[in-house]
Amino acid sequence: NAGVTQTPKFQVLKTGQSMTLQCAQDMNHEYMSWYRQDPGMGLRLIHYSVGAGITDQGEVPNGYNVSRSTTEDFPLRLLSAAPSQTSVYFCASSPGSFGNTIYFGEGSWLTVV
Amino acid sequence: AQSVAQPEDQVNVAEGNPLTVKCTYSVSGNPYLFWYVQYPNRGLQFLLKYITGDNLVKGSYGFEAEFNKSQTSFHLKKPSALVSDSALYFCAVRANTGNQFYFGTGTSLTVIP
Repeated sequence: NAGVTQTPKFQVLKTGQSMTLQCAQDMNHEYMSWYRQDPGMGLRLIHYSVGAGITDQGEVPNGYNVSRSTTEDFPLRLLSAAPSQTSVYFCASSPGSFGNTIYFGEGSWLTVV
Repeated sequence: AQSVAQPEDQVNVAEGNPLTVKCTYSVSGNPYLFWYVQYPNRGLQFLLKYITGDNLVKGSYGFEAEFNKSQTSFHLKKPSALVSDSALYFCAVRANTGNQFYFGTGTSLTVIP
C-alpha cells in the first residue's frame, strides 16, 4: 500500500537550474496538492488540482508550475531555481468529498545554492 | 476566507501530565477541522477530525479534541502525556468550497521525562 510517493527525497540545485519533483498516489484521489514547509511559516499551499486536467494556484505559486495529466500523478516543476525556494516540499492527496482527510508523502528536501 | 491559528509555537509538559495544544479557526459555513502530527523528517500523519456531531472527538494515540463553536476553537488534548508524543502538531481546516486544506503554523510539543 504505497499511498503518496514523492521523489527525490533530497536534491541540491544551483541557482537558475530547473527540476521536477515527482508525486504519485495510488488511492484514486481526485484532489492533489503541493505544499512547502518553512520554519515558522507552517505549510503553505503552492498549487492544487481537483482532478485530471484541472489545476489552480495556492498561496505561493510564483516560480512553480504543475500539470495533472492523470489522476495518479501531479509533478511540481521549478522553472529557474532560486535560494528562496530552499524548503521541504510535501505532496498530498485526498478524496474529493469534504469530510475526508488529506494524506501526505514523506517530503522532498530541496536546497538551492 | 478560511484560516486557522495556533497561538503557541512551543508547548512543554511533564510526562504524565495532561496536555493541550490550542487552535482557533475562521471559516465561512460549517467547519471541517483536522489535527495532524509530524515527526522529524517525516510527512504529516492524521490524528483526528471534526465534521459534525459530538463536540468531543477521539483520535489516534489517545488524543482527543474539543470543538467549541462559540469560541471557534478546536483544541487538541491528551489526559496523560508520553515522551513519545513529542512532535510538531498542525491544526487544519478544509474549505467547504474548492477542497483546499489550510494549515496553522504548527506547535512544537516537548514532553519532559
